[in-house]
Formats: sequence, structure tokens, C-alpha cells
Amino acid sequence: AQSVTQPDIHITVSEGASLELRCNDSYGATPYLFWYVQSPGQGLQLLLKYFSGDTLVQGIKGFEAEFKRSQSSFNLRKPSVHWSDAAEYFCAVGATYNFNKFYFGSGTKLNVKP
Amino acid sequence: NAGVTQTPKFRILKIGQSMTLQCTQDMNHNYMYWYRQDPGMGLKLIYYSVGAGITDKGEVPNGYNVSRSTTEDFPLRLELAAPSQTSVYFCAISGSGGADYEQYFGPGTRLTVT
Repeated sequence: AQSVTQPDIHITVSEGASLELRCNDSYGATPYLFWYVQSPGQGLQLLLKYFSGDTLVQGIKGFEAEFKRSQSSFNLRKPSVHWSDAAEYFCAVGATYNFNKFYFGSGTKLNVKP
Repeated sequence: NAGVTQTPKFRILKIGQSMTLQCTQDMNHNYMYWYRQDPGMGLKLIYYSVGAGITDKGEVPNGYNVSRSTTEDFPLRLELAAPSQTSVYFCAISGSGGADYEQYFGPGTRLTVT
């Protein structure tokens, strides 16, 4: 079965430092990739999405992600983290055989040190 | 334009009770989904629907039922509540492709079964 892996459960970075959150899709073929953010007690908010074309996509709040087909990865990056970025981040992919069925990773919880 | 609304926000059930979680959308999207999120975990798909009258099972459908009689509404039914169903439930919607191909989430329903 298709799966999405986020290998880092928790990450702590200092405010102002750069950030990279990892995401791997087991198939590597789906063209539909997403990153969502969830603040405590809240629903999920879309940060960015990739369908096709330029493999480097820009999102909200200064985030970007790059799709690397050869590595089946879609890592999320931010050059300078703000304290308000502390949240949980989920990678998601559209199923290879059914683009309207989504698979989510288990999430990476980001802590930001002052 | 409220997007996706869910009711109730919180609920405590006793073992064996039943209830319906409501989900309503005003974006006229065909696809609707129910997920559960257990503490510290990602989202697991319970059921989804590709349009009125059409539903299908996700990864964890046991103990739940759904119906889709209109485009707007997609209620989730728990018939005999069990402690294992303690979770946060999210309803989501998506379009059928292109720019609409992303999921919009409701605020969630926090359910406790004791």
C-alpha cells in the first residue's frame, strides 16, 4: 500500500535558524503533494502544494518545498524560523491510483527555541 | 463562505451509545472525507465520498457508517461507541482536480468515549 513517511517525530530549532522537514512517498510517482500545518487544537491549514511543472514550490508564511522524483522526497524548508512557526506539520500525497484519495504522514512536531 | 463546518465541537459518549457527527460544506465540492486523528498520530481515512449517493471505505472504516444524500452534507455515524473511538474527527472536502485539488478541513470534533 502507498505510504508517506515523515522520519522526524520532533524537531527543535532556534528562532532565526533554517528549517528542513523531510517527507518521502513510497511510490514516488504521484504528482499531487501537499504540506499542511496544524496548530494545537486547530484544524489543518494548507501551506503549499505541488501538481506539476517547477519542482520548487512556494507557499504561505515563507515556506517552500522541492519535489525530487529520484529520491521520492518532498521536503519542506524555511530559511529563518519564527516562534509562531511552532506547530505540527503534515505531508500528504494524492494516491497514485486514485488522485482524490489522500495519504498523510504521521507528522513532525516543531519546537522553536527563543 | 464558511467552507467546512462540523458539529459538535466536543462530545463525551458512554460505551455503547451512538451519535452522528455532522459535516456541511458550502463550496460545492464533490469530494468529501472523514478522518480520525489519534493523539500524536497522523490522519487516518475513515470513509470518503465522490458525490451524492456514492461512498467508499478508507483505511479504518470499522465501527462507522456514512451516507451522502446531498452535495453539502456528509454525516458520520457511530453506532456502538467504544473507547478505541476516542479521537479527533476531521471532515475535509476537495475538488476534482487542477486548482481545486487540495483538501480543505473543518475545525474538528473532539470525541471521548468512556
